[in-house]
Amino acid sequence: QKEVEQNSGPLSVPEGAIASLNCTYSDRGSQSFFWYRQYSGKSPELIMFIYSNGDKEDGRFTAQLNKASQYVSLLIRDSQPSDSATYLCAVNKGSNYQLIWGAGTKLIIKP
Amino acid sequence: EAGVAQSPRYKIIEKRQSVAFWCNPISGHATLYWYQQILGQGPKLLIQFQNNGVVDDSQLPKDRFSAERLKGVDSTLKIQPAKLEDSAVYLCASSSWTGRNEKLFFGSGTQLSVL
Repeated sequence: QKEVEQNSGPLSVPEGAIASLNCTYSDRGSQSFFWYRQYSGKSPELIMFIYSNGDKEDGRFTAQLNKASQYVSLLIRDSQPSDSATYLCAVNKGSNYQLIWGAGTKLIIKP
Repeated sequence: EAGVAQSPRYKIIEKRQSVAFWCNPISGHATLYWYQQILGQGPKLLIQFQNNGVVDDSQLPKDRFSAERLKGVDSTLKIQPAKLEDSAVYLCASSSWTGRNEKLFFGSGTQLSVL
């Protein structure tokens, strides 16, 4: 079992709809959870992080964390073609807060 | 503020040759990371520095990979000799080390092709 699992996709969503991206993790000791966006041929950039159970909203993005079920999700409202990218889930664990990365979900927003 | 600088942007070498990558982190960032990202996979941590010291190099193939960070600023990552499976993007990242919610800033990466 991978430490951080994501559906590789591609996930195709119509423009203007809500895109829902999911991530599960295996270590219950994980403390913080990150969503990075990576455009093709580019480097990852941080969208959001969350460390408390519940929802955290930032503009069109909402991160949801459920530690009991060991999953974290990212919702993108009013999806735009510019949101088309690979979304990487990363989980922070250990005394040195090592980041464990998922393989990413490729999101395609269709105009 | 200036971002993380990496060079070269692309490198093509033959197997068994050596190659080196350079990284200059954001000014003031104490923590520096080297990641390897194979196409279709997430980044894999190779080595993490805190100032001059190594925090984690558990996934660094030490028989062929080496890295150093002199004076707690610039860093180089070397592969000698390269293998076909080393073909990947090598990402350098830095952070100011604010604890569990630290944000990583990535450089543009070096795309390595080993033929």
